[in-house]
Amino acid sequence: DTEVTQTPKHLVMGMTNKKSLKCEQHMGHRAMYWYKQKAKKPPELMFVYSYEKLSINESVPSRFSPECPNSSLLNLHLHALQPEDSALYLCASSLGLRGRLDYGYTFGSGTRLTVV
Amino acid sequence: DAKTTQPNSMESNEEEPVHLPCNHSTISGTDYIHWYRQLPSQGPEYVIHGLTSNVNNRMASLAIAEDRKSSTLILHRATLRDAAVYYCILRKEYGNKLVFGAGTILRVKS
Repeated sequence: DTEVTQTPKHLVMGMTNKKSLKCEQHMGHRAMYWYKQKAKKPPELMFVYSYEKLSINESVPSRFSPECPNSSLLNLHLHALQPEDSALYLCASSLGLRGRLDYGYTFGSGTRLTVV
Repeated sequence: DAKTTQPNSMESNEEEPVHLPCNHSTISGTDYIHWYRQLPSQGPEYVIHGLTSNVNNRMASLAIAEDRKSSTLILHRATLRDAAVYYCILRKEYGNKLVFGAGTILRVKS
């Protein structure tokens, strides 16, 4: 299995809703990432998990809450989002082995989120 | 993180080679040069990376200037499926932070 699987593919949520995005990989990767991508812009890094621990939070608002329950699974919990949070949310993974060059990130196809 | 500069867009004819340039004048000795591409409606895809020497793989070639202040991604025969945004990224050897710049939109004409 050489894929990163993201569900759902599309999500529409109201500003008072709570929803979660899910990301799964079975490549034995130990680093996982969340990116946000607005239309016609490059992906922006949000969070990095290394060995199931949060290692980087790029000053993301607390209405986005990541979780890494195990080495294969990454969730992004959403609560009280704003319309400007509408974007494509991408998950990625990489080998993430400590002390070794880590060059190939594998990205999922993303969840297209619309906040109404 | 050191910055890269790429042209906003480029156009190529199908089945001709494409040379995508990237300037990185502030590159440091431990920065690797990575290239990713993003096809429409997909997540980014790893293409190639290098440090000092030129590199080849099944997708592309990477030519790195001797002073490492610039590099060029070479697609040997462009196809319509190569139309994408190409990102040149500098990355520390053991860092796990991949930061995207604006990229180059490659259009391929048939």
